[in-house]
Amino acid sequence: QSALTQPRSVSGSPGQSVTISCTGTSSDVGGYNYVSWYQQHPGKAPKLMISDVSLRPSGVPDRFSGSKSGNTASLTISGLQAEDEADYYCCSFAGSFTVVFGTGTKVTVL
Amino acid sequence: QVQLVESGAEVKKPGASVKVSCLASGYTFTSNYIHWVRQAPGQGLEWMGVINPSDDTKSYAQKFQGRVSMTRDTSTSTVYMDLSSLRSDDTAVYYCARAHSGYDFFDYWGQGTLVTVSS
Repeated sequence: QSALTQPRSVSGSPGQSVTISCTGTSSDVGGYNYVSWYQQHPGKAPKLMISDVSLRPSGVPDRFSGSKSGNTASLTISGLQAEDEADYYCCSFAGSFTVVFGTGTKVTVL
Repeated sequence: QVQLVESGAEVKKPGASVKVSCLASGYTFTSNYIHWVRQAPGQGLEWMGVINPSDDTKSYAQKFQGRVSMTRDTSTSTVYMDLSSLRSDDTAVYYCARAHSGYDFFDYWGQGTLVTVSS
């Protein structure tokens, strides 16, 4: 099972929007609506930001949103803030009782 | 409140085995699958496998088949991950994570356990 493909890094100024893509196949991202996104600050455990492609858990700011088209899922951060600087990982159910993570994207707030 | 508390850091020699525990509290232990995810230094997240505490069924990533074993103790609400034949590239932080329902998403994570493999 190959990792889902994410850009290595994205950046934006405070207040701007950034979008992170997550490309898989019809066997994972494209085949199921079980795509989730995690934020990870250095030295910390990952934190759930988006579940089931586009659902935002309680407590996650509404500037975070998720979507999917075909085999590619996306996470958009609108109104970028300094505390959003972190690594972000997508994750998908991949069938046959397995899960696959994305390669990870470092978000830098300029 | 839901908590997953992992065991402490370990240092192992190549070829040895390591057993990491994950103590669950704040919810019904048998209601949610527990997954294991690892992260090598400076690298991304890697899914290792999952155990269903209710019926003890497991599924492992192909990469770890034959080297990993996940078990659970319902009397103590603890899940264990055993990794054998350790190599230097197994040096990583190992996380347990609770799935909301099976394989959908991970809503709670343990604090992580650093396993260092070094001669």
